[in-house]
Amino acid sequence: EAGVAQSPRYKIIEKRQSVAFWCNPISGHATLYWYQQILGQGPKLLIQFQNNGVVDDSQLPKDRFSAERLKGVDSTLKIQPAKLEDSAVYLCASSSEGPSTDTQYFGPGTRLTVL
Amino acid sequence: AQSVSQHNHHVILSEAASLELGCNYSYGGTVNLFWYVQYPGQHLQLLLKYFSGDPLVKGIKGFEAEFIKSKFSFNLRKPSVQWSDTAEYFCAVNAYYKLSFGAGTTVTVRA
Repeated sequence: EAGVAQSPRYKIIEKRQSVAFWCNPISGHATLYWYQQILGQGPKLLIQFQNNGVVDDSQLPKDRFSAERLKGVDSTLKIQPAKLEDSAVYLCASSSEGPSTDTQYFGPGTRLTVL
Repeated sequence: AQSVSQHNHHVILSEAASLELGCNYSYGGTVNLFWYVQYPGQHLQLLLKYFSGDPLVKGIKGFEAEFIKSKFSFNLRKPSVQWSDTAEYFCAVNAYYKLSFGAGTTVTVRA
């Protein structure tokens, strides 16, 4: 079974530039999550999709971050414009059902450096 | 505020030593509990999980964890570690349909 795919693996940009990350979940998984992991901290949920609908985006900085999952499969996360404090690893995860009782499977992450 | 606390930031031990990593959470009500591990150069993967039933759960690679409801704790243990257990370990709590992680504990096992 193929795992969660993410690209790119690394990205370096200057502040105020835009950046986009892509995630393809495990086939058949209805729920997709984006996490931000700052160095020295645990992952923090940014947004959760159930199929192509947003379930929770309470911790997404909506003035600069956006995410979509148009066909209920793959997803993109965008930052526009980026700030220095956005430097982090962005993790995508998926699960077959919802988060309560289901294991989340994580991708390798995208390491973003904002200069 | 609701939170997940891991007691140690960095643990260094020798092969064959016993390992115990502490995890406490502050959520009330029903929770589901997880330990995830990230080996060097690899992605986060599930080590073990607790949903209900026997509070002592066993995971992969000889790890186990005990849920103590009265103490809001879910500590991870392994009786004898190996060099290959060098990794970062994250405790996670699912409450209110959201998974929250602790800050992680880096475990270094010396050969």
